[in-house]
Amino acid sequence: NAGVMQNPRHLVRRRGQEARLRCSPMKGHSHVYWYRQLPEEGLKFMVYLQKENIIDESGMPKERFSAEFPKEGPSILRIQQVVRGDSAAYFCASSPSGGTTGNTIYFGEGSWLTVV
Amino acid sequence: GESVGLHLPTLSVQEGDNSIINCAYSNSASDYFIWYKQESGKGPQFIIDIRSNMDKRQGQRVTVLLNKTVKHLSLQIAATQPGDSAVYFCAETYGGATNKLIFGTGTLLAVQP
Repeated sequence: NAGVMQNPRHLVRRRGQEARLRCSPMKGHSHVYWYRQLPEEGLKFMVYLQKENIIDESGMPKERFSAEFPKEGPSILRIQQVVRGDSAAYFCASSPSGGTTGNTIYFGEGSWLTVV
Repeated sequence: GESVGLHLPTLSVQEGDNSIINCAYSNSASDYFIWYKQESGKGPQFIIDIRSNMDKRQGQRVTVLLNKTVKHLSLQIAATQPGDSAVYFCAETYGGATNKLIFGTGTLLAVQP
């Protein structure tokens, strides 16, 4: 009965390197969301994906950030040429369908990115 | 604009007391609201939700109240326990087919034994 699985849980990158964060949704879930949380702040929506489609990327920075959810395999959030301001916790969530049903949105435990 | 890393509002209560955590939401068009609990180093955990056609909803030891007139949401926790210590976030969303949640800044609940 695995929940939303994220890895790595902790990642350290030097400025200019690339960070790849992976998210495997709950079994049977085809909708994936990525959120970012800065220290002592709430989560900020980044992107909403279904299999092979980006549905809403209105929260994604215009440069260096990309996300995908391929037909097979986990969803990937990719950050190129990381800067110190990218240091944050990145949370993935999944749901079996879209629409406003909060009790079927499940969050993972997060990936903590530290840029040094 | 971007918020600077401010200290979270903190609510300190004695074990066994009732807790009330408040949240002001931003969009009058929001029609669905959720309370999440986040423990240190973990992801948000669903507590209770409410739709805009209701003003009160009760769960196990928790009650959510919605006042659309002043765009205010509250979470009441009865007989607060040490395990309730966490950061609590309200989240709102409005219509559409996406679960794009807008989170508040959070309140740290500290339960004193």
